[in-house]
Amino acid sequence: SQQGEEDPQALSIQEGENATMNCSYKTSINNLQWYRQNSGRGLVHLILIRSNEREKHSGRLRVTLDTSKKSSSLLITASRAADTASYFCATAAGAAGNKLTFGGGTRVLVKP
Amino acid sequence: DTAVSQTPKYLVTQMGNDKSIKCEQNLGHDTMYWYKQDSKKFLKIMFSYNNKELIINETVPNRFSPKSPDKAHLNLHINSLELGDSAVYFCASSQESSGRSEQYFGPGTRLTVT
Repeated sequence: SQQGEEDPQALSIQEGENATMNCSYKTSINNLQWYRQNSGRGLVHLILIRSNEREKHSGRLRVTLDTSKKSSSLLITASRAADTASYFCATAAGAAGNKLTFGGGTRVLVKP
Repeated sequence: DTAVSQTPKYLVTQMGNDKSIKCEQNLGHDTMYWYKQDSKKFLKIMFSYNNKELIINETVPNRFSPKSPDKAHLNLHINSLELGDSAVYFCASSQESSGRSEQYFGPGTRLTVT
């Protein structure tokens, strides 16, 4: 089964609204990363949050991490049509720290 | 000045054939990866190389053989292709192998086996 599982699987919002998606995982992690994938393209790294961090910001993106609940959230504020994409969380864990385990992704549609 | 490039972008072939996908990164990274993304968008790691040395080898059929001639290249050769091999294959690279740095992905190779 996937280490990270995103919720919801799909999200449809109007431009200007905020989009929030959650990721849950099962084992202890070194860090958790969020990636974006536009249709037919490769993944683009958004944010990396380490296990000893609780919150991180990058532009309109805000990521939180709660290691006690083994969960993370990604908030996109003031969404734009260009934010339409699939968003994946990935966890790096264990000795093979560079082995990222991806969730199934959240498909976000931002309507203009 | 593409960071991680893959060729070909699309590959259509028949069952039983042997094919290769090439990957190159010009980021000076030490670590490279191959991932498989299935039709449901699940992305799973297949292999990882650090400085031409294999460090991750997931449960992948031995019909799949990665080759890293130098640390900027990681190619994937697939023998005796099967229908279930149809997927999008992504190459990626990272600065080092500890997992503390982000990974940079190529545009993907869509493999269709008929």
